[in-house]
Amino acid sequence: DAGITQSPRYKITETGRQVTLMCHQTWSHSYMFWYRQDLGHGLRLIYYSAAADITDKGEVPDGYVVSRSKTENFPLTLESATRSQTSVYFCASSPPGLAGGPEVWYSNEQFFGPGTRLTVL
Amino acid sequence: GNSVTQMEGPVTLSEEAFLTINCTYTATGYPSLFWYVQYPGEGLQLLLKATKADDKGSNKGFEATYRKETTSFHLEKGSVQVSDSAVYFCALGDTGANSKLTFGKGITLSVRP
Repeated sequence: DAGITQSPRYKITETGRQVTLMCHQTWSHSYMFWYRQDLGHGLRLIYYSAAADITDKGEVPDGYVVSRSKTENFPLTLESATRSQTSVYFCASSPPGLAGGPEVWYSNEQFFGPGTRLTVL
Repeated sequence: GNSVTQMEGPVTLSEEAFLTINCTYTATGYPSLFWYVQYPGEGLQLLLKATKADDKGSNKGFEATYRKETTSFHLEKGSVQVSDSAVYFCALGDTGANSKLTFGKGITLSVRP
């Protein structure tokens, strides 16, 4: 199926365990993103990737690791889960933006997956 | 750096009421502006966008105009429906090719019959 998918949709784990959240997109978008959504904080960017093997930190990267060996996949790993990482995680993908002139950039929309609800006990 | 400020919520309206959700931003240059909507249990989806000053984005009866002079992108709808109940996010595009977006905190809209 075309689109962006996330797995698992729901996950319960224990403090200290390693957890990997999967994200897969079929559009061959160059950019991919991981966000977490928490009440009172809206969406916060964890990591993003411009292409295979190119990743960069977002606003809240501590405690998370990403990799991108293939354009279509962008897994997010919690190396040692903590209760504060209980959240809903969203993956998104997007083509690159386009230059429109001096100081003008036309950003493309991001396409979001359905989310993974992670509970750390 | 870039930032987006949305009005505080939640907002509760009766069906057919007029809706305004305020959004202001801080950015350098001329970024693209977006409104996303999140229905219960789903991911975010694009509602509308505008890429330059005075552009009006519109979709599903919603409208927003890119106001450079007031750095605003307020969302409006003339007559809301129960099915519009959702969380609405204003977002600002980065000035660069990276397609990064800065999101506001979101506002929950509930429409009662």
